[in-house]
Amino acid sequence: GAVVSQHPSRVICKSGTSVKIECRSLDFQATTMFWYRQFPKQSLMLMATSNEGSKATYEQGVEKDKFLINHASLTLSTLTVTSAHPEDSSFYICSARKRGSTTDTQYFGPGTRLTVL
Amino acid sequence: QQQVKQSPQSLIVQKGGISIINCAYENTAFDYFPWYQQFPGKGPALLIAIRPDVSEKKEGRFTISFNKSAKQFSLHIMDSQPGDSATYFCAASIGGYQKVTFGIGTKLQVIP
Repeated sequence: GAVVSQHPSRVICKSGTSVKIECRSLDFQATTMFWYRQFPKQSLMLMATSNEGSKATYEQGVEKDKFLINHASLTLSTLTVTSAHPEDSSFYICSARKRGSTTDTQYFGPGTRLTVL
Repeated sequence: QQQVKQSPQSLIVQKGGISIINCAYENTAFDYFPWYQQFPGKGPALLIAIRPDVSEKKEGRFTISFNKSAKQFSLHIMDSQPGDSATYFCAASIGGYQKVTFGIGTKLQVIP
């Protein structure tokens, strides 16, 4: 199978601090990873697309200086929420596409619940 | 602008019944239509997917029906079970390297 992990699964932080979330593809190489945000009882909203070795592409309305994305290797992408505020509290989910895949299948991580106090 | 419209937002079905979730899209460039299942506190998991060159795809109790001319597709869950209770998202994307656009989700509850 294709397994994607996220760490941490839950994080609680104080307002103004920065939080880093890791997304790893455990058994495959991922040239492209996606970061989504999901509010309670709502759909997934794409925040950015991350390609290994290049700058992330952010969706309209997503602040790139606030949500820093790094895709340093074919198995790891990180999302850093800088100077977090209560409105950043959300469920953050990453997904990864297999390198060399001829399909559109994305494999999703289990998500990270961020709570900013 | 909601490119993929999904209905209903919630659905209650009795055990053994058929659950039907409908989606409609606007962008005719979409060429891949996956369905995802999400349990509370978990990430979405791919359930089944279809391309527009076929009108139906079946995997076990799950069937996707696709109507290209109407730009609609639906998920049918046969013999629904309490373990199927989850939120289901339809989605659409263009090509093999493009982002996926999700519907709003349908919360399915299968009651005994």
